[in-house]
Amino acid sequence: KQEVTQIPAALSVPEGENLVLNCSFTDSAIYNLQWFRQDPGKGLTSLLLIQSSQREQTSGRLNASLDKSSGRSTLYIAASQPGDSATYLCAVYSGAGSYQLTFGKGTKLSVIP
Amino acid sequence: EAQVTQNPRYLITVTGKKLTVTCSQNMNHEYMSWYRQDPGLGLRQIYYSMNVEVTDKGDVPEGYKVSRKEKRNFPLILESPSPNQTSLYFCASRTGGVNIQYFGAGTRLSVL
Repeated sequence: KQEVTQIPAALSVPEGENLVLNCSFTDSAIYNLQWFRQDPGKGLTSLLLIQSSQREQTSGRLNASLDKSSGRSTLYIAASQPGDSATYLCAVYSGAGSYQLTFGKGTKLSVIP
Repeated sequence: EAQVTQNPRYLITVTGKKLTVTCSQNMNHEYMSWYRQDPGLGLRQIYYSMNVEVTDKGDVPEGYKVSRKEKRNFPLILESPSPNQTSLYFCASRTGGVNIQYFGAGTRLSVL
């Protein structure tokens, strides 16, 4: 059974810092990996989707990497801003037809002005 | 606007009183799913549907039912809710293959 772990569970950084969030998964036979953002009391917003054949994806100040063989992904946030404060969730698509989506428990990020 | 709509957003009920949480998407997506989110446990998949009349169990299906009679709708049914089903529920949809999953705003359910 796929298990997804995110470290750290919480992170507090001063505004302007670059930071890295980590995600690891136990079964490397994944189809895709997706990073989401969740604001308090809100739904999930997709940030980046990395296909299993890709090594990384970039969107603005965000860069996500994927190393299937080691079962790891990282989300790099450049020049952090207070508006980046949220919980970041990593999720992997696995199983037949990639219908099963397994989430990590998230990293709660606080960017201090 | 492309969206996944859940109703109601908030619901308080009592043990054993049947309820339905509706989910509708306007993107013609084949795939829809339901998740629950609990503190310390994260998001867990309850049921998913690959297309009309095709559904399958996720990680935590006990106590839930679903149906997919139309492509756009995927209701979650709790026939006899219990307090351990108090949770935040999310519906999601995506096209088949390698595509981004879209989530609804969530339904916060309390079972007393």
